[in-house]
Amino acid sequence: QVQLQESGPGLVKPSETLSLSCIVSGGSISSDYWSWIRQPPGNGLEWIGYISYSGRTNYHPSLKSRVTISADTSKNQFSLKLNSVTAADTAVYYCARLTIVGATSGFDYWGQGTLVTVSS
Amino acid sequence: SSDLTQDPAVSVALGQTVRITCQGDSLRSYYATWYQQKPGRAPLLVIYDKNNRPSGIPDRFSGSNSGNTASLTITGAQAEDEADYYCNCRDNNGNHWLFGGGTKLTVL
Repeated sequence: QVQLQESGPGLVKPSETLSLSCIVSGGSISSDYWSWIRQPPGNGLEWIGYISYSGRTNYHPSLKSRVTISADTSKNQFSLKLNSVTAADTAVYYCARLTIVGATSGFDYWGQGTLVTVSS
Repeated sequence: SSDLTQDPAVSVALGQTVRITCQGDSLRSYYATWYQQKPGRAPLLVIYDKNNRPSGIPDRFSGSNSGNTASLTITGAQAEDEADYYCNCRDNNGNHWLFGGGTKLTVL
């Protein structure tokens, strides 16, 4: 059973960088795709991006200029950095595994989520 | 458009059948995946591919696809099915992932 667990500060100041990590157990980040997804309070889900088993990254076009996703295979974890944050970046941030098979894809394992609030 | 559109809210009487729909151009090329989310919890994948359920998902959940519309059907809705439901698939170019705005299901 794949398990994911997010960690990182729950409070970030405006204009600073949001940094989160996701440690994976029961599976290897050297396979599949590993994603970040966020959900502002009371709102829907937004895909942020992924890092693939080969280290290739892919980001949401609206966040691409501010996002970096990286991986540390020795620790079996991957990370999110989002710079120049504003209050609009306040959300629950989830890490998840993305499985892609042809025309089918899905986020089949999720972390519990971590609330990040952007406020001074 | 690369958006996925869902009705914001749907209600169903206990034990009855309800269909939740998702519309978008990219659904002509890619299958929708459906998630159930209860308050304070991470989303749970309930339907993927043409109509497949992960282990542990009750068989009252089913999916279908036609043109630009994907549907999630719950046959014999239970009180525990009350939740938000999200559809998800790739965008038209297949490069990025989209979520619908979510449908809040109320079981009466």
